[in-house]
Amino acid sequence: GEDVEQSLFLSVREGDSSVINCTYTDSSSTYLYWYKQEPGAGLQLLTYIFSNMDMKQDQRLTVLLNKKDKHLSLRIADTQTGDSAIYFCAEKNTGGFKTIFGAGTRLFVKA
Amino acid sequence: GAVVSQHPSWVICKSGTSVKIECRSLDFQATTMFWYRQFPKQSLMLMATSNEGSKATYEQGVEKDKFLINHASLTLSTLTVTSAHPEDSSFYICSARDSGQEPNEQFFGPGTRLTVL
Repeated sequence: GEDVEQSLFLSVREGDSSVINCTYTDSSSTYLYWYKQEPGAGLQLLTYIFSNMDMKQDQRLTVLLNKKDKHLSLRIADTQTGDSAIYFCAEKNTGGFKTIFGAGTRLFVKA
Repeated sequence: GAVVSQHPSWVICKSGTSVKIECRSLDFQATTMFWYRQFPKQSLMLMATSNEGSKATYEQGVEKDKFLINHASLTLSTLTVTSAHPEDSSFYICSARDSGQEPNEQFFGPGTRLTVL
């Protein structure tokens, strides 16, 4: 079945870049998403990438997609303490009804 | 973007009582809503998919008689935790699907923290 995997924890210093990695198994994935969850809150869609794209940049966020290796990454430039949160990778295919989430990566930013 | 609200944001109840959580799509019609459960420091677990006007589809291992879902209108779905017990304590999150906004079509509510004493 479909599966999305992420590392569980990442710690960086304020001002450094953060790279959160994700792998998925469904080769028919059409959309891949990154969500952010702050403590005690729901999920906020950060960005998404369509499967025919290799890269998408949105201000401090850069998403890289290697479709051959089924690998997705989220790079946060100039990481701030406010970026501390859990980041979820997710995928959905065109015919799919459900969005499949990874376990989430907890990003800790040290001042 | 589209807004999804949940009410209440937190609730504390006694063991054996039932608790109803509401999920509303505020500025779009949602033919489908999803209910998730999240344990501390863990990922989202999809509990059920709720379709307006029909019965919800429950994921394997989720008791439908325990977690009653009603999606009576295009903007409201409710989750009722019946005869709640301490092990039902969790963070419950709903999301609503706006089919008119591919690909970012699933919008999440802020969550409801349930504590059962």
